[in-house]
Amino acid sequence: SAVISQKPSRDICQRGTSLTIQCQVDSQVTMMFWYRQQPGQSLTLIATANQGSEATYESGFVIDKFPISRPNLTFSTLTVSNMSPEDSSIYLCSVDTGNTIYFGEGSWLTVV
Amino acid sequence: GQQLNQSPQSMFIQEGEDVSMNCTSSSIFNTWLWYKQDPGEGPVLLIALYKAGELTSNGRLTAQFGITRKDSFLNISASIPSDVGIYFCAGLNNFNKFYFGSGTKLNVKP
Repeated sequence: SAVISQKPSRDICQRGTSLTIQCQVDSQVTMMFWYRQQPGQSLTLIATANQGSEATYESGFVIDKFPISRPNLTFSTLTVSNMSPEDSSIYLCSVDTGNTIYFGEGSWLTVV
Repeated sequence: GQQLNQSPQSMFIQEGEDVSMNCTSSSIFNTWLWYKQDPGEGPVLLIALYKAGELTSNGRLTAQFGITRKDSFLNISASIPSDVGIYFCAGLNNFNKFYFGSGTKLNVKP
Protein backbone atom coordinates (compact mmCIF):
# COMPACT_ATOMS: atom_id res chain seq x y z
CA SER A 1 0.00 0.00 0.00
CA ALA A 2 0.96 3.67 -0.07
CA VAL A 3 0.21 6.54 2.25
CA ILE A 4 -0.39 9.77 0.37
CA SER A 5 -0.57 13.20 1.99
CA GLN A 6 -2.03 16.17 0.17
CA LYS A 7 -2.17 19.79 1.12
CA PRO A 8 -4.06 21.96 1.35
CA SER A 9 -7.02 19.77 2.26
CA ARG A 10 -9.36 22.58 1.32
CA ASP A 11 -9.19 26.20 0.30
CA ILE A 12 -11.37 29.03 -0.87
CA CYS A 13 -9.72 30.85 -3.75
CA GLN A 14 -10.37 34.12 -5.50
CA ARG A 15 -11.20 34.10 -9.17
CA GLY A 16 -8.11 34.72 -11.33
CA THR A 17 -5.60 33.46 -8.78
CA SER A 18 -3.54 30.28 -8.87
CA LEU A 19 -3.09 27.61 -6.23
CA THR A 20 -0.52 24.85 -5.94
CA ILE A 21 -1.44 21.52 -4.39
CA GLN A 22 1.29 19.33 -2.96
CA CYS A 23 1.34 15.55 -2.84
CA GLN A 24 3.79 13.53 -0.74
CA VAL A 25 4.01 9.72 -0.84
CA ASP A 26 5.59 7.62 1.89
CA SER A 27 7.51 5.47 -0.59
CA GLN A 28 9.06 5.79 -4.02
CA VAL A 29 6.57 5.20 -6.81
CA THR A 30 6.98 5.36 -10.55
CA MET A 31 3.43 6.28 -11.49
CA MET A 32 1.76 9.33 -9.98
CA PHE A 33 -1.42 10.86 -11.29
CA TRP A 34 -3.65 13.86 -10.74
CA TYR A 35 -7.43 13.54 -10.92
CA ARG A 36 -10.26 16.02 -10.73
CA GLN A 37 -13.65 15.23 -9.29
CA GLN A 38 -16.35 17.82 -9.86
CA PRO A 39 -19.30 17.87 -7.46
CA GLY A 40 -21.39 14.72 -7.75
CA GLN A 41 -19.21 13.30 -10.52
CA SER A 42 -16.78 10.46 -10.96
CA LEU A 43 -13.03 10.84 -11.27
CA THR A 44 -11.43 12.42 -14.34
CA LEU A 45 -7.74 11.95 -15.03
CA ILE A 46 -5.95 15.26 -15.57
CA ALA A 47 -2.42 14.01 -16.21
CA THR A 48 0.30 11.54 -15.38
CA ALA A 49 3.13 13.19 -13.44
CA ASN A 50 6.41 11.93 -14.91
CA GLN A 51 9.57 12.12 -12.88
CA GLY A 52 12.25 14.09 -14.71
CA SER A 53 10.12 15.02 -17.70
CA GLU A 54 6.97 16.90 -18.64
CA ALA A 55 3.65 15.54 -17.47
CA THR A 56 1.40 13.66 -19.90
CA TYR A 57 -1.95 15.43 -20.14
CA GLU A 58 -5.31 13.88 -20.99
CA SER A 59 -7.57 15.33 -23.63
CA GLY A 60 -9.13 18.57 -22.44
CA PHE A 61 -6.33 19.46 -20.00
CA VAL A 62 -3.33 21.63 -20.86
CA ILE A 63 -0.05 22.48 -19.19
CA ASP A 64 -0.72 26.22 -19.08
CA LYS A 65 -3.82 25.67 -16.96
CA PHE A 66 -2.56 22.75 -14.86
CA PRO A 67 1.25 22.85 -14.62
CA ILE A 68 2.64 19.82 -12.81
CA SER A 69 6.01 19.21 -11.23
CA ARG A 70 7.53 15.87 -10.28
CA PRO A 71 11.03 16.50 -8.92
CA ASN A 72 11.46 13.01 -7.43
CA LEU A 73 9.71 9.67 -6.93
CA THR A 74 7.86 10.69 -3.76
CA PHE A 75 6.58 14.20 -4.49
CA SER A 76 4.50 16.07 -7.02
CA THR A 77 2.64 19.36 -7.29
CA LEU A 78 -0.36 20.42 -9.33
CA THR A 79 -1.07 24.10 -9.92
CA VAL A 80 -4.53 25.26 -10.91
CA SER A 81 -3.91 28.52 -12.75
CA ASN A 82 -6.12 31.54 -13.32
CA MET A 83 -8.98 29.91 -11.49
CA SER A 84 -12.64 30.35 -12.33
CA PRO A 85 -15.71 29.00 -10.50
CA GLU A 86 -15.74 26.06 -12.96
CA ASP A 87 -12.48 24.89 -11.36
CA SER A 88 -14.24 24.27 -8.04
CA SER A 89 -13.56 20.57 -7.50
CA ILE A 90 -11.77 18.02 -5.44
CA TYR A 91 -8.27 17.47 -6.81
CA LEU A 92 -6.81 14.07 -6.03
CA CYS A 93 -3.26 12.82 -6.15
CA SER A 94 -2.92 9.10 -6.73
CA VAL A 95 -0.23 6.48 -7.18
CA ASP A 96 -0.16 3.18 -9.00
CA THR A 97 1.80 0.56 -7.08
CA GLY A 98 1.69 -1.96 -9.91
CA ASN A 99 -1.92 -2.94 -10.27
CA THR A 100 -3.61 -0.96 -7.52
CA ILE A 101 -4.33 2.75 -7.27
CA TYR A 102 -4.23 4.61 -3.97
CA PHE A 103 -5.55 8.12 -3.48
CA GLY A 104 -4.64 11.04 -1.29
CA GLU A 105 -7.23 12.65 0.95
CA GLY A 106 -8.01 15.20 -1.74
CA SER A 107 -7.82 18.97 -1.96
CA TRP A 108 -11.24 20.58 -2.04
CA LEU A 109 -11.05 23.92 -3.86
CA THR A 110 -13.88 26.40 -4.00
CA VAL A 111 -13.40 29.35 -6.35
CA VAL A 112 -15.38 32.48 -5.57
CA GLY B 1 -12.68 8.46 -21.80
CA GLN B 2 -14.28 5.09 -21.34
CA GLN B 3 -16.27 4.61 -18.16
CA LEU B 4 -17.50 1.50 -16.50
CA ASN B 5 -21.25 1.04 -16.11
CA GLN B 6 -21.94 1.07 -12.41
CA SER B 7 -25.34 0.42 -10.92
CA PRO B 8 -27.39 1.36 -9.15
CA GLN B 9 -26.68 5.10 -9.13
CA SER B 10 -28.10 5.45 -5.64
CA MET B 11 -29.69 3.32 -2.96
CA PHE B 12 -31.83 4.07 0.08
CA ILE B 13 -31.85 1.19 2.52
CA GLN B 14 -32.73 0.43 6.12
CA GLU B 15 -30.00 -0.28 8.63
CA GLY B 16 -29.37 -4.01 8.80
CA GLU B 17 -30.22 -4.69 5.18
CA ASP B 18 -27.77 -6.18 2.70
CA VAL B 19 -26.59 -4.15 -0.29
CA SER B 20 -25.36 -5.18 -3.71
CA MET B 21 -23.86 -3.05 -6.47
CA ASN B 22 -22.03 -3.95 -9.65
CA CYS B 23 -19.89 -2.72 -12.49
CA THR B 24 -19.92 -3.98 -16.04
CA SER B 25 -17.93 -3.26 -19.15
CA SER B 26 -17.79 -4.36 -22.76
CA SER B 27 -14.02 -4.76 -22.37
CA ILE B 28 -11.90 -7.18 -20.40
CA PHE B 29 -10.18 -5.99 -17.25
CA ASN B 30 -7.22 -7.51 -15.44
CA THR B 31 -7.88 -5.92 -12.07
CA TRP B 32 -11.01 -4.71 -10.32
CA LEU B 33 -10.87 -2.30 -7.39
CA TRP B 34 -13.63 -1.06 -5.10
CA TYR B 35 -13.42 2.25 -3.20
CA LYS B 36 -15.52 4.15 -0.70
CA GLN B 37 -15.55 7.93 -0.67
CA ASP B 38 -16.89 10.09 2.14
CA PRO B 39 -17.96 13.68 1.34
CA GLY B 40 -14.97 15.96 0.72
CA GLU B 41 -12.47 13.12 1.12
CA GLY B 42 -10.42 10.98 -1.23
CA PRO B 43 -11.52 7.45 -2.20
CA VAL B 44 -10.33 4.74 0.17
CA LEU B 45 -9.51 1.32 -1.23
CA LEU B 46 -11.83 -1.39 0.13
CA ILE B 47 -11.07 -4.49 -1.90
CA ALA B 48 -8.71 -5.36 -4.77
CA LEU B 49 -9.35 -8.31 -7.11
CA TYR B 50 -6.66 -9.64 -9.44
CA LYS B 51 -7.97 -12.93 -10.88
CA ALA B 52 -11.12 -13.91 -12.73
CA GLY B 53 -13.51 -15.65 -10.36
CA GLU B 54 -11.74 -14.32 -7.27
CA LEU B 55 -14.02 -13.73 -4.30
CA THR B 56 -12.59 -11.56 -1.52
CA SER B 57 -14.01 -10.34 1.77
CA ASN B 58 -13.12 -7.42 3.98
CA GLY B 59 -15.27 -7.57 7.09
CA ARG B 60 -18.90 -7.16 6.03
CA LEU B 61 -17.82 -6.43 2.45
CA THR B 62 -17.48 -9.08 -0.24
CA ALA B 63 -16.45 -8.49 -3.83
CA GLN B 64 -16.07 -10.79 -6.81
CA PHE B 65 -14.13 -10.57 -10.06
CA GLY B 66 -16.51 -11.85 -12.73
CA ILE B 67 -15.52 -14.99 -14.58
CA THR B 68 -15.83 -13.20 -17.95
CA ARG B 69 -13.48 -10.44 -16.63
CA LYS B 70 -16.04 -7.89 -17.74
CA ASP B 71 -17.81 -7.36 -14.45
CA SER B 72 -17.50 -7.20 -10.70
CA PHE B 73 -19.88 -6.86 -7.78
CA LEU B 74 -19.62 -5.57 -4.24
CA ASN B 75 -21.91 -6.76 -1.45
CA ILE B 76 -22.28 -5.17 1.97
CA SER B 77 -24.00 -7.27 4.58
CA ALA B 78 -25.95 -5.98 7.59
CA SER B 79 -25.48 -2.31 6.68
CA ILE B 80 -24.84 0.28 9.38
CA PRO B 81 -25.12 4.09 9.25
CA SER B 82 -21.37 4.57 8.75
CA ASP B 83 -21.63 2.67 5.45
CA VAL B 84 -23.13 5.85 3.99
CA GLY B 85 -20.99 7.23 1.17
CA ILE B 86 -20.24 6.82 -2.50
CA TYR B 87 -18.80 3.53 -3.71
CA PHE B 88 -16.69 3.46 -6.87
CA CYS B 89 -15.42 0.58 -8.93
CA ALA B 90 -12.26 0.81 -11.01
CA GLY B 91 -10.88 -1.52 -13.63
CA LEU B 92 -7.39 -1.91 -15.09
CA ASN B 93 -7.35 -2.93 -18.74
CA ASN B 94 -4.77 -4.62 -20.96
CA PHE B 95 -3.16 -1.26 -21.70
CA ASN B 96 -2.49 -0.61 -18.02
CA LYS B 97 -5.09 2.14 -17.93
CA PHE B 98 -7.59 2.55 -15.13
CA TYR B 99 -11.23 3.37 -15.70
CA PHE B 100 -13.75 4.37 -13.05
CA GLY B 101 -17.43 3.75 -12.55
CA SER B 102 -19.76 6.67 -11.99
CA GLY B 103 -20.35 5.69 -8.38
CA THR B 104 -23.17 4.29 -6.25
CA LYS B 105 -24.45 6.63 -3.56
CA LEU B 106 -25.53 4.65 -0.52
CA ASN B 107 -27.93 6.07 2.07
CA VAL B 108 -28.67 4.07 5.21
CA LYS B 109 -31.64 4.92 7.41
CA PRO B 110 -31.12 4.10 11.08
